[in-house]
Amino acid sequence: DGGITQSPKYLFRKEGQNVTLSCEQNLNHDAMYWYRQDPGQGLRLIYYSQIVNDFQKGDIAEGYSVSREKKESFPLTVTSAQKNPTAFYLCASSKREGRSPLHFGNGTRLTVT
Amino acid sequence: RKEVEQDPGPFNVPEGATVAFNCTYSNSASQSFFWYRQDCRKEPKLLMSVYSSGNEDGRFTAQLNRASQYISLLIRDSKLSDSATYLCVPQVSDKLIFGTGTRLQVFP
Repeated sequence: DGGITQSPKYLFRKEGQNVTLSCEQNLNHDAMYWYRQDPGQGLRLIYYSQIVNDFQKGDIAEGYSVSREKKESFPLTVTSAQKNPTAFYLCASSKREGRSPLHFGNGTRLTVT
Repeated sequence: RKEVEQDPGPFNVPEGATVAFNCTYSNSASQSFFWYRQDCRKEPKLLMSVYSSGNEDGRFTAQLNRASQYISLLIRDSKLSDSATYLCVPQVSDKLIFGTGTRLQVFP
């Protein structure tokens, strides 16, 4: 079955450490996205990529980095520069053409102490 | 003004009730529109796309009013399993803009 896989589901890190969240899709989608969700808030866009080897900053990119070396993979690194990294991180993908909804992975819940 | 505004709720309704959610969006360049549902501590899942003429999918009906920049979702014959947060999502260029959602609680 096609889908998006995020791993791990839960992640715990100490403050000051970088951490990389994995996102893999086998839907053959060109576009991939990373969102962050905090309790009681909507999803906020961190980074997105429309094509391999290219990506754009979203609304809250500071303290994060991404790469898109393969169509299937879009890992997100949460760096020590991110002031409030504890959150629910959601990866999504879509076709590039218009009117294409996003398909989400199950999410990674990151806790930094 | 927020890009997407929704009544946060919660809407508490009995099984079998009809309930309607409204949403307004600020960007007139929005091209496509979607409703997602999100269960507690889970990822959002696409409920339905919204077409200009309005569309229906079983118990769910979506309406779009571009002139007023307003989208609605009607749920008929509510089920316990409909309890979730409903997210109104306009698309601008290649980005989807998520509202904070409206929480629905269906009780027996």
